[in-house]
Amino acid sequence: DAKTTQPPSMDCAEGRAANLPCNHSTISGNEYVYWYRQIHSQGPQYIIHGLKNNETNEMASLIITEDRKSSTLILPHATLRDTAVYYCIANYNQGGKLIFGQGTELSVKP
Amino acid sequence: EAGVTQSPTHLIKTRGQQATLRCSPISGHTSVYWYQQALGLGLQFLLWYDEGEERNRGNFPPRFSGRQFPNYSSELNVNALELEDSALYLCASSSGTNTGELFFGEGSRLTVL
Repeated sequence: DAKTTQPPSMDCAEGRAANLPCNHSTISGNEYVYWYRQIHSQGPQYIIHGLKNNETNEMASLIITEDRKSSTLILPHATLRDTAVYYCIANYNQGGKLIFGQGTELSVKP
Repeated sequence: EAGVTQSPTHLIKTRGQQATLRCSPISGHTSVYWYQQALGLGLQFLLWYDEGEERNRGNFPPRFSGRQFPNYSSELNVNALELEDSALYLCASSSGTNTGELFFGEGSRLTVL
């Protein structure tokens, strides 16, 4: 699985969009980009995933660059409950283990 | 629909003892994963079971073992407990092998004294 790099922490004002970057410059052609988040002391929660195209669901949007070397998770209107550690993971989508890095600790402030 | 359930929520043991943690996956899910999250550290992959078989194992000593039952529930056993085994143990399930969408339980917090 390709290594991903994320900033260790970010702040965002409540109600504003939170844009969380992820670098995966060594990603291979059939690796998906997955995003999870973990609210303090809870189990991680799946957010979204994509291969090439941008994806959107009720939680977030995922923008993947054309060369697939980086991506951005967008929370369009961040709330205090979005404060969590966000993990970006590259995975072959063939089951097995997901490798969680250190993630980005997002703090949403009033 | 019930999510992934884990028991016990908290467990306190002393060094050298054995701990058993249990996990019930979401109904219909055949794959179960175990992760360890020590305080302040990231999630470390422990084990992956699918259809009753161990499919993959993380970099943990053999005293960490488990199994998956015919109903797809799973058990994680940790023998000869050490202080550094104190952690949150998370179980996740998925609907098959062709997905990275895992559904996690709330975890079992093991404290070794």
